[in-house]
Amino acid sequence: AQSVTQLGSHVSVSEGALVLLRCNYSSSVPPYLFWYVQYPNQGLQLLLKYTSAATLVKGINGFEAEFKKSETSFHLTKPSAHMRDAAEYFCAVRSTGANSKLTFGKGITLSVRP
Amino acid sequence: DTAVSQTPKYLVTQMGNDKSIKCEQNLGHDTMYWYKQDSKKFLKIMFSYNNKELIINETVPNRFSPKSPDKAHLNLHINSLELGDSAVYFCASSNRDRAHGYTFGSGTRLTVV
Repeated sequence: AQSVTQLGSHVSVSEGALVLLRCNYSSSVPPYLFWYVQYPNQGLQLLLKYTSAATLVKGINGFEAEFKKSETSFHLTKPSAHMRDAAEYFCAVRSTGANSKLTFGKGITLSVRP
Repeated sequence: DTAVSQTPKYLVTQMGNDKSIKCEQNLGHDTMYWYKQDSKKFLKIMFSYNNKELIINETVPNRFSPKSPDKAHLNLHINSLELGDSAVYFCASSNRDRAHGYTFGSGTRLTVV
């Protein structure tokens, strides 16, 4: 079965600082990986996805992620944090097969300090 | 025009009651899902329907019964509500191509008192 692991539950950065949110995957086949963001009291919004094309994926709101097979990682980064980036971030993997499903990591809360 | 819409947004009800949550998508997707998000923000899939056919049914109490009248609608009916059912329930849709992510609704916060 495919899965993702997000270590830690909370990351705090200063406004303007680098954001790094970690995600590691486990998969015996090439994974399809996704990052979602959830703002308070809202649904989940797709930030970006990796689907075996370019290993460096750019998403919305200045976020990007790099797929590293050797490290089984798909970490999310943003060069300069904004206050509006404060939210919950979820890494997810979509399984193979006719009835594929999206399985989420436990999420990381990002706080941005003024 | 909302892509995936859920109603109601908030639902407060007493233990033992029966309630329904409705979901509609206008994206032309053929697969719809229900997820449950608990108090620790953990998201777990409950059900999935493809063209009105149930294709994923995780270990969910049979008090929960999904119904899909057509591929644009997926409703969730819950019988005999319990305190532990309190959570945020999200509807989502996608097509079956693995390269596509899911589009989520804004969620229904269910509180059982």
